[in-house]
Amino acid sequence: AQTVTQSQPEMSVQEAETVTLSCTYDTSESDYYLFWYKQPPSRQMILVIRQEAYKQQNATENRFSVNFQKAAKSFSLKISDSQLGDAAMYFCAYRSANAGNNRKLIWGLGTSLAVNP
Amino acid sequence: NAGVTQTPKFRVLKTGQSMTLLCAQDMNHEYMYWYRQDPGMGLRLIHYSVGEGTTAKGEVPDGYNVSRLKKQNFLLGLESAAPSQTSVYFCASRPKGLAGVYVGGELFFGEGSRLTVL
Repeated sequence: AQTVTQSQPEMSVQEAETVTLSCTYDTSESDYYLFWYKQPPSRQMILVIRQEAYKQQNATENRFSVNFQKAAKSFSLKISDSQLGDAAMYFCAYRSANAGNNRKLIWGLGTSLAVNP
Repeated sequence: NAGVTQTPKFRVLKTGQSMTLLCAQDMNHEYMYWYRQDPGMGLRLIHYSVGEGTTAKGEVPDGYNVSRLKKQNFLLGLESAAPSQTSVYFCASRPKGLAGVYVGGELFFGEGSRLTVL
């Protein structure tokens, strides 16, 4: 069974600095999707960035980028020029590309990010 | 531009009472999900639905029932609430892609419903 591990329960960063959140996963599949979701204090989960496993190029969305290392099964999130609004819980998630398994996201336990002014 | 709407946002129940959480989405999504979120436990899937009239169990289905009578609505029921069901509940939805595989995979979430069972 697939698992997702976020080894950093809490992180902090100074405003305008860069921070990297780590995520590792375990799977025997070769085709899958990886996601980072953000959950601000308002509670609503919002997709930050996604990565398709068949793509070698790392996904980028404005100040958010990932370092996807397929062989190492690592999927870290880098936040550049951190802003106060980035303070939130960040969840890493995995989804199989197998049609029989693709209804379920496998979630990490989250990393709480604080941004210090 | 409502997206996924959950009602109620907050509720306090006494042990043994029943209640229903309503999830409504206006994006014509096929798939809908109910999760619970507890400190240190992450998100756990309770039940899900792949289309109108169909439901299936997730990781932690015991004590809950669901119904999907209309495509846009997914109801989560607690027949006899227990303190262990104190949690924040999230509904999510996503569209169905070609051949049942949605390439993007993104879930659209509601704002959550905080339930306290005394």
